[in-house]
Amino acid sequence: EVQLVESGGGLVKPGRSLRLSCTASGFTLSDYAMNWFRQAPGKGLEWVGFIRSKAYGGTTEYAASVKGRFTISRDDSESIAYLQMNSLKTEDTAVYYCSRDTSGWFFFDYWGQGTLVTVSS
Amino acid sequence: DIQMTQSPSSVSASVGDRVTITCRASQDISYWLAWYQQKPGKAPNLLIYGASSLQSGVPSRFNGSGSGTDFTLTINSLQPEDFATYYCQQANSFPPTFGQGTRLDIK
Repeated sequence: EVQLVESGGGLVKPGRSLRLSCTASGFTLSDYAMNWFRQAPGKGLEWVGFIRSKAYGGTTEYAASVKGRFTISRDDSESIAYLQMNSLKTEDTAVYYCSRDTSGWFFFDYWGQGTLVTVSS
Repeated sequence: DIQMTQSPSSVSASVGDRVTITCRASQDISYWLAWYQQKPGKAPNLLIYGASSLQSGVPSRFNGSGSGTDFTLTINSLQPEDFATYYCQQANSFPPTFGQGTRLDIK
């Protein structure tokens, strides 16, 4: 059974950092691009960024709202994808989800349960 | 970025009804559209991809259609578990973007 489990969320002050983890099971993480999304309280879904599989260079892309502050990485040997969030702002408060790209088409077939990040002083 | 606009923003219906949700893209996205269902406190669930292909395990009462800029999600014979929020998402060009969501409530 495919599973994605996020962890690492919590309460953090503006300007501080936080690292989220997405632990995968039931499939070979290295075969897939992995994406991060977020959903602010009561709001819609926003794509945050993704990391390609190593077969496609393992490179990353980010939404304009987080570029330069957030970094996505992966450890395929541990089946974990990471989202490093630096210089956090209050507007980064959201539930963060990781998701698997079905086949590189930007359709997302499996999602984690989400982890809440609250940025507040 | 491609803008996705859903209508209506909310709709009320009864069990057994048929409901249609529309999604319009700000430019031609061919068939590169997906639909997701999200229940409160849960992650989105992929229903339809490629505008009309049913994701494995999704009931056949869910039907997607359209191409170019105009798309629809039709839910036939609504079941109690279908009351949720629905999002469209374009996958034609980078970055992937979502509609604002359509909340489907019980009448």
